[in-house]
Amino acid sequence: AQTVTQSQPEMSVQEAETVTLSCTYDTSESDYYLFWYKQPPSRQMILVIRQEAYKQQNATENRFSVNFQKAAKSFSLKISDSQLGDAAMYFCAYRSLEYGNKLVFGAGTILRVKS
Amino acid sequence: DVKVTQSSRYLVKRTGEKVFLECVQDMDHENMFWYRQDPGLGLRLIYFSYDVKMKEKGDIPEGYSVSREKKERFSLILESASTNQTSMYLCASNHGPTVAYQETQYFGPGTRLLVL
Repeated sequence: AQTVTQSQPEMSVQEAETVTLSCTYDTSESDYYLFWYKQPPSRQMILVIRQEAYKQQNATENRFSVNFQKAAKSFSLKISDSQLGDAAMYFCAYRSLEYGNKLVFGAGTILRVKS
Repeated sequence: DVKVTQSSRYLVKRTGEKVFLECVQDMDHENMFWYRQDPGLGLRLIYFSYDVKMKEKGDIPEGYSVSREKKERFSLILESASTNQTSMYLCASNHGPTVAYQETQYFGPGTRLLVL
């Protein structure tokens, strides 16, 4: 079974600075998808960014980018120019192609943004 | 915009009560999911459904059942609530296998359940 590990329970960043959230996963599959979700306090969880395992190029979405290291099974999220609205719980998730729609989540990282 | 709604944001129940949590989506999604979210454990899948009247167990189905009589509605049932079922419950949905697997799941706002 696949597992996802987020080793940082909490992180802090100063407004306008850059922060990187870590995620590692364990799988024997060669094709899969990886996701980062954001859950703001008392608000709905939303997708931040996704990465297809077969793509070598790292995904980017505005201030959010990933560092995908397939051999190391690592999928970190970099947030540039951090804003107060980035404060949230961030979850890394794995989606198997074989098991279709199931998502396996990490434990989450709380990100605090200081002004 | 995809909308996934859950019947309650907060719920307080007594041990032994039967509890219904309801989820409705308005995007004609085939798949619907129930997760529970606990600190330090992330989200864990309880049950999911890929069609009306179809269901499959997730990773932690014990103590729960589900019902999907209509495509847009997916209910989670706690037959006899226990204190260890105190948690945040999240519903999610997305399209079925005819859509690329890269599609995200769309989440509801969550129901925070306290069992006393």
